Amino acid sequence: GQSLEQPSEVTAVEGAIVQINCTYQTSGFYGLSWYQQHDGGAPTFLSYNALDGLEETGRFSSFLSRSDSYGYLLLQELQMKDSASYFCAVRSLDSNYQLIWGAGTKLIIKP
Amino acid sequence: DAGVTQSPTHLIKTRGQQVTLRCSPKSGHDTVSWYQQALGQGPQFIFQYYEEEERQRGNFPDRFSGHQFPNYSSELNVNALLLGDSALYLCASSLGQGVRAGELFFGEGSRLTVL
Repeated sequence: GQSLEQPSEVTAVEGAIVQINCTYQTSGFYGLSWYQQHDGGAPTFLSYNALDGLEETGRFSSFLSRSDSYGYLLLQELQMKDSASYFCAVRSLDSNYQLIWGAGTKLIIKP
Repeated sequence: DAGVTQSPTHLIKTRGQQVTLRCSPKSGHDTVSWYQQALGQGPQFIFQYYEEEERQRGNFPDRFSGHQFPNYSSELNVNALLLGDSALYLCASSLGQGVRAGELFFGEGSRLTVL
């Protein structure tokens, strides 16, 4: 079967750097996505990794290691508005190319 | 450029009732996927509509059904509501059946409470 694991909650200080990890189990892996969701809001797309390595988009970066079935989202220069839940989601042959989602990581930022 | 719109935003039903939720996809998108998100959980895939047909389905019972119209908008119907159906129902749109580069565009969702 398929599964994704990510920490349920992470706490960091404003201005700091935080890393949210995601490990997955699936067959026919195609890519790993990251989404941000504020309380009461819609999930919004952050990044997608299909190949090993680091993808950088402004303050956010995402990393993938296919051999380790592992990825992470790195948030730099944290701002209070980054307080949200972050989801990793896998696209695979198992899921017929639909996204299978982790349970999400709640990021709490303290001043 | 209009994003994904959903209605209603909130609704309360009682067990055994039926509900219909509506979604208009982002301009230029032709595929609509529906997700159920329970509190504190990630979205769970219900089904996907493309060319007015259900193309893929997740592990949801037949009480969950849908429809896509020629203008690409979509409805999600849930019959014989159970308490466990209380959740946020999200509509996501994309172009074509495949989730291109893992990116979906979501609406704000319909919050369903079943009493």
